[in-house]
Amino acid sequence: GAGVSQSPSNKVTEKGKDVELRCDPISGHTALYWYRQSLGQGLEFLIYFQGNSAPDKSGLPSDRFSAERTGGSVSTLTIQRTQQEDSAVYLCASSWTSGSFEQYFGPGTRLTVT
Amino acid sequence: ELKVEQNPLFLSMQEGKNYTIYCNYSTTSDRLYWYRQDPGKSLESLFVLLSNGAVKQEGRLMASLDTKARLSTLHITAAVHDLSATYFCAVGPLDSNYQLIWGAGTKLIIKP
Repeated sequence: GAGVSQSPSNKVTEKGKDVELRCDPISGHTALYWYRQSLGQGLEFLIYFQGNSAPDKSGLPSDRFSAERTGGSVSTLTIQRTQQEDSAVYLCASSWTSGSFEQYFGPGTRLTVT
Repeated sequence: ELKVEQNPLFLSMQEGKNYTIYCNYSTTSDRLYWYRQDPGKSLESLFVLLSNGAVKQEGRLMASLDTKARLSTLHITAAVHDLSATYFCAVGPLDSNYQLIWGAGTKLIIKP
């Protein structure tokens, strides 16, 4: 079946502009995660959605970052007034639910802020 | 606060050799994952380890978990070039059933 998809795959934007990153999780997966990976680094947790529960936004680095998940499926991560330090690969993952279930990752969106 | 440390962070080795990557974590956990990432690609799940003494093997890779020592190892047997990648371990803290704390990754280069 189809895996996790993300769009765009690459995004170059000017400092101060807003960007939207999209994630389509695997069908039937109730849990969805956003991570940020800077060059040569591990993954930094951003936000977690589980079904219709309130999301865990504790990893969002500033109030310029927000995310939503519509209908328990597609998610959008929005970064307002982008800064150069926002440049990174943004990864989305989904899993059947939380707990011990492994996370399946999308291909990522490489964001470059110039 | 759970911290995860991998070592080495970089490893260059010859084909045919054996080596081990270590993943240490600082507080008790009930789940540990190993992932592989090829350059410019996303992460691929390799192993899920959920109990003390768990051992899983897939081809030339074998992962084990010692929860008492808070240590997991990823052992590579008779390395081949195709195993060149960055390997990450991720550990789940007990106070969350969804968060994972990630190691910095081990970049493995296998030379023919």
